[in-house]
Amino acid sequence: EIVLTQSPATLSLSPGERVTLSCRASEGVNSYLAWYQQKPGQPPRLLIYDASNRATGIPARFSGSGSGTDFTLTISSLESEDFAVYYCQQRSNWPITFGQGTRLEIK
Amino acid sequence: EEQLVESGGGLIQPGGSLRLSCEVSGFSVRNNYMSWVRQAPGKGLEWVSFIYGASTTQYAESVEGRFTISKDNSKNTLYLQMNSLRVEDTAVYYCAREVGWAFAIWGHGTMVTVSS
Repeated sequence: EIVLTQSPATLSLSPGERVTLSCRASEGVNSYLAWYQQKPGQPPRLLIYDASNRATGIPARFSGSGSGTDFTLTISSLESEDFAVYYCQQRSNWPITFGQGTRLEIK
Repeated sequence: EEQLVESGGGLIQPGGSLRLSCEVSGFSVRNNYMSWVRQAPGKGLEWVSFIYGASTTQYAESVEGRFTISKDNSKNTLYLQMNSLRVEDTAVYYCAREVGWAFAIWGHGTMVTVSS
């Protein structure tokens, strides 16, 4: 099973700041890596697929990069609605696995 | 509009069975990659099961042999039959459609509570 490790677990930032979230895979996943945002009481929302492609309707302030084992999600300038939990997920090998999540909190 | 609506959750005793349904609208389950993903209270996301076509299925090790994924193309509905339920199966269960190797469409989930 491919283990995805996200860091940090929690991040406290202010609106307008730039943030980079990390996802490291225990073995290479090529570019089969996605990022999701989840708010309380809601299902996850797809942000990025294939490591760097923004999903439909996702603002340009969200960007993804990486390949192999190291990936990042960057939010260029935080808006109030961006404070949520973020998960990465790999689709390279079975079973499909998710990272444990990074919680983005308002400072 | 593409939409997924789960149902069938509830309170069930350990060892019991439950069948979840996911009604699909706006696209066909026949030729799409569909999965169930669950989330225990206060925890992260865990992929449970996958189905494509007539018989291609995959399961997480934690549910292999106890859960069965299926679909009815005529009803455009996805199912998850859950047997021998355990306390640790307590979670919100989401159905999701894959597009481009990612879960692009999600339902709002149905809560399953396994407790005596």
